[in-house]
Amino acid sequence: QKEVEQNSGPLSVPEGAIASLNCTYSDRGSQSFFWYRQYSGKSPELIMSIYSNGDKEDGRFTAQLNKASQYVSLLIRDSQPSDSATYLCAVNMMTTDSWGKLQFGAGTQVVVTP
Amino acid sequence: GAVVSQHPSWVICKSGTSVKIECRSLDFQATTMFWYRQFPKQSLMLMATSNEGSKATYEQGVEKDKFLINHASLTLSTLTVTSAHPEDSSFYICSATVRGRGRGAGAQFFGPGTRLTVL
Repeated sequence: QKEVEQNSGPLSVPEGAIASLNCTYSDRGSQSFFWYRQYSGKSPELIMSIYSNGDKEDGRFTAQLNKASQYVSLLIRDSQPSDSATYLCAVNMMTTDSWGKLQFGAGTQVVVTP
Repeated sequence: GAVVSQHPSWVICKSGTSVKIECRSLDFQATTMFWYRQFPKQSLMLMATSNEGSKATYEQGVEKDKFLINHASLTLSTLTVTSAHPEDSSFYICSATVRGRGRGAGAQFFGPGTRLTVL
């Protein structure tokens, strides 16, 4: 069983619409959660971090966390062609033995169509 | 803030030679650095975790004698691919993190990556 699961996509989104990405994780001890954006041929870039249940908004991005359901999501409002990328969900247990080590999902490819 | 650099950004070498890749945290002290490898259209694969002043911890299946990691300071880690072969051609990415509980705690900040081609 994969520890962090995402739909691989591609998720096709019309320009201006909302892109909704989902991620589930298996380890209930997980304490911090991240979304990274990775353009083709480039390295991942941190776009959101979330640590407590609820919503966190940053510009056009909103991260949602539900620890009881072991579920993290990312909403991208007013999607632009420049949002076309692979979005990686990452989970960090932050225990002494595994501090800093992230479990990554396989990523969801988002394609924003003009 | 939280900028990580890598050098070189790309390298082409002959089979059997060794290649060194540097990873630097430019505006923070990184308690832990990580090395990843990524093949085209595949997921990130963690190779090793490196803490300043101690031996790196390698993931299962990663040859420690082939991929030498040195983390000499809180701002510099190096990966040396020894006796490189064509199958080692890949995109190598480092990341750095800072121990703490503040904003961004637990996040990894990635370098831009190094594309290695072994002929």
